Amino acid sequence: GEDVEQSLFLSVREGDSSVINCTYTDSSSTYLYWYKQEPGAGLQLLTYIFSNMDMKQDQRLTVLLNKKDKHLSLRIADTQTGDSAIYFCAERALTGGGNKLTFGTGTQLKVEL
Amino acid sequence: ETGVTQTPRHLVMGMTNKKSLKCEQHLGHNAMYWYKQSAKKPLELMFVYNFKEQTENNSVPSRFSPECPNSSHLFLHLHTLQPEDSALYLCASSQDFSGAQPQHFGDGTRLSIL
Repeated sequence: GEDVEQSLFLSVREGDSSVINCTYTDSSSTYLYWYKQEPGAGLQLLTYIFSNMDMKQDQRLTVLLNKKDKHLSLRIADTQTGDSAIYFCAERALTGGGNKLTFGTGTQLKVEL
Repeated sequence: ETGVTQTPRHLVMGMTNKKSLKCEQHLGHNAMYWYKQSAKKPLELMFVYNFKEQTENNSVPSRFSPECPNSSHLFLHLHTLQPEDSALYLCASSQDFSGAQPQHFGDGTRLSIL
């Protein structure tokens, strides 16, 4: 079955870049997503990338996809304290059918002053 | 404002109670989802409704009973829950279930079973 893995924690200083990594196992993945969850809130869609792309940039966010290694990363430039949250990687695979997402366990990003 | 509203935000109930969670989306979507989020575990998909028809039931115990009266509203009826059912229950919606349009989430209902 599908599996998505992320490291549990990441700590960075304000103003530095953050890089959150994710690996997945299903080679039929079509779309890969990044969601952000702040305390007491639901998941906020940040960005997503189609599997035929290598990179997508959206303001401070850059997504890199290495399809050969099944590796996805999210880079946050000029990280701010408001970026402190849990970041979830998710994949939509063709196996299983339908718009079903497999989520990682999330990476807790802590931004220190 | 995510376009997906869940009520109540918090719910404490005993194991013998009956309660319902409500989700409403204002995005014009046709697919709606229930997820369970427990600490240190990936999100678990529970149910999917597409154009008001249930298309997915991921082996969820019968003490959870979903209802989708129209494409904008989704309910989760709860009855005789167990302590391990304490979790954050998230509702999401997307354009439809066959496409790959992103899912948009509500803020969840934090459920505590006494």
